[in-house]
Amino acid sequence: AQSVTQPDIHITVSEGASLELRCNYSYGATPYLFWYVQSPGQGLQLLLKYFSGDTLVQGIKGFEAEFKRSQSSFNLRKPSVHWSDAAEYFCAVGANGGSQGNLTFGKGTKLSVKP
Amino acid sequence: DGGITQSPKYLFRKEGQNVTLSCEQNLNHDAMYWYRQDPGQGLRLIYYSQIVNDFQKGDIAEGYSVSREKKESFPLTVTSAQKNPTAFYLCASMGSSSYEQYFGPGTRLTVT
Repeated sequence: AQSVTQPDIHITVSEGASLELRCNYSYGATPYLFWYVQSPGQGLQLLLKYFSGDTLVQGIKGFEAEFKRSQSSFNLRKPSVHWSDAAEYFCAVGANGGSQGNLTFGKGTKLSVKP
Repeated sequence: DGGITQSPKYLFRKEGQNVTLSCEQNLNHDAMYWYRQDPGQGLRLIYYSQIVNDFQKGDIAEGYSVSREKKESFPLTVTSAQKNPTAFYLCASMGSSSYEQYFGPGTRLTVT
């Protein structure tokens, strides 16, 4: 069964500093990988996704993520954090070619931004 | 505007009552999903439907029921058999070729 681990429950960074959120997955084949962001009391918004090809993917709001098969990781990065980036971030894995398109989510990393 | 709507935003019920959460999408998506979110637990799949008149149980289906009579609608009923129904419920949909799930704004259910 597929699984996702987000090792950091809560991260605090200063505005303007760089950010890296960690995500490790467990899946037997090449997975579909996603990062979503959630503001308090809201739904989830897709930041970026990896299906195949270039292992460095660009997303919305200046985020990027790199797929590293050897490390089973898909870490999310941003070079300069803005106060509006404070939210909860979820990594998710889906089965490549799976018929249901079901996703398995990590437990999330809450990001706080210091002024 | 295309999207997913969930209503109501907040819902309060007494213990022992069934309650139905609404989810409607106008994205023409075939697949729809219901998730439950508890603090620190991420999202857990309750039910999903790939096509009208068909649905499957997810990881935590006990105490919940769904129907899919129309492509646009996938209501979730939280029954009195659900032992801990207080949670944030999220509905999502996915097109047949995109593999991206789009989420609604969620419904916060409180049962006392």
